[in-house]
Amino acid sequence: TQLLEQSPQFLSIQEGENLTVYCNSSSVFSSLQWYRQEPGEGPVLLVTVVTGGEVKKLKRLTFQFGDARKDSSLHITAAQPGDTGLYLCAGARYGGATNKLIFGTGTLLAVQP
Amino acid sequence: NAGVTQTPKFQVLKTGQSMTLQCAQDMNHEYMSWYRQDPGMGLRLIHYSVGAGITDQGEVPNGYNVSRSTTEDFPLRLLSAAPSQTSVYFCASSPGGREKLFFGSGTQLSVL
Repeated sequence: TQLLEQSPQFLSIQEGENLTVYCNSSSVFSSLQWYRQEPGEGPVLLVTVVTGGEVKKLKRLTFQFGDARKDSSLHITAAQPGDTGLYLCAGARYGGATNKLIFGTGTLLAVQP
Repeated sequence: NAGVTQTPKFQVLKTGQSMTLQCAQDMNHEYMSWYRQDPGMGLRLIHYSVGAGITDQGEVPNGYNVSRSTTEDFPLRLLSAAPSQTSVYFCASSPGGREKLFFGSGTQLSVL
């Protein structure tokens, strides 16, 4: 059973466009992380959100944790080819250790120059 | 800065063969874990460890064994490989609590 569903699964856009990736669950998480993975490499952490309604910005990337702590979104403004990669959300369950993160299904983003 | 080191990078096995995927970290992290990554399914937890001598099962533990004799090393053993174990395997470590995971670069395994 996949607890975290990401949408869209694939996204191909032109440089300069904006996009939003969604991460949804019926479960409540104590915190949620977003990772980016490039081909042939392991995922690298972008951000952790821990408070319901929290918004964090990382340059052109804006992350939001849902008020009910069941969902999150990643918005990229003016996408660049360097943003290309697989984006993964990962939720930590209450009482669980970090290494029992539940990962989402992933969103593969391709930004064309 | 080595971080998390996985070997081998690529491996091809025949059904029924056994092998060990190696994982080592030099950050003195207590937590280590193994994930497998399959298309459209994200990362699924196989086994994890909260310290030397302590291991536990994740979501998909069947067909895999682990041990943690030292803080640095966390090998994953496939006892009798099956085609369903064809996947990309990632080892990860973290300092503890709910801090970020540091991943290795992965092992691409094909079982024929």
